[in-house]
Amino acid sequence: AQKITQTQPGMFVQEKEAVTLDCTYDTSDPSYGLFWYKQPSSGEMIFLIYQGSYDQQNATEGRYSLNFQKARKSANLVISASQLGDSAMYFCAMSPAAGNKLTFGGGTRVLVKP
Amino acid sequence: NAGVTQTPKFRVLKTGQSMTLLCAQDMNHEYMYWYRQDPGMGLRLIHYSVGEGTTAKGEVPDGYNVSRLKKQNFLLGLESAAPSQTSVYFCASSRGTGEYQPQHFGDGTRLSIL
Repeated sequence: AQKITQTQPGMFVQEKEAVTLDCTYDTSDPSYGLFWYKQPSSGEMIFLIYQGSYDQQNATEGRYSLNFQKARKSANLVISASQLGDSAMYFCAMSPAAGNKLTFGGGTRVLVKP
Repeated sequence: NAGVTQTPKFRVLKTGQSMTLLCAQDMNHEYMYWYRQDPGMGLRLIHYSVGEGTTAKGEVPDGYNVSRLKKQNFLLGLESAAPSQTSVYFCASSRGTGEYQPQHFGDGTRLSIL
């Protein structure tokens, strides 16, 4: 079974600053994928970034980067130069190699202050 | 640029009533999923499908049935609605070719059972 833990229920960040969202995971699968999704107040789920368990380099997508530490089983999301539009819930999720079923963490609410 | 479309967006039911939620995707994706999101929580997988004519149980399948008669559509049925099924329901799809593909989500259906 897979488990995702996000220990930060909510956090504030000043506009233009960077913020790190924590995500730890547990799995017995030798191969897996890690994902981050954003859910703004309007409710939709927006895919942000993906990291494969065998990827040597940390994934980056624009202002988003994933700090992947396999030995620690962590996959933290870093948002650089925060913008007011970054205020949202952020979910970490993982999938096994076989199939593509996502297991989600409980989420972290981010509020960007002007 | 529709992607994943869910209908209806909102619905209120009485206990014991039945209804069907429709999900349609126009990306020719093989895999489709139904999730529920309860307040303050991440998404939990109800049922999923790896191709036309196939369905499988997820984490929380009880009280729901699904059908995938056409590749582009995935239906979620509640035969006898219960208050515990009050939730926001999300449909998603992915290529699911064995590579790690992000799931693309619909905008959700807010369902209230009185």
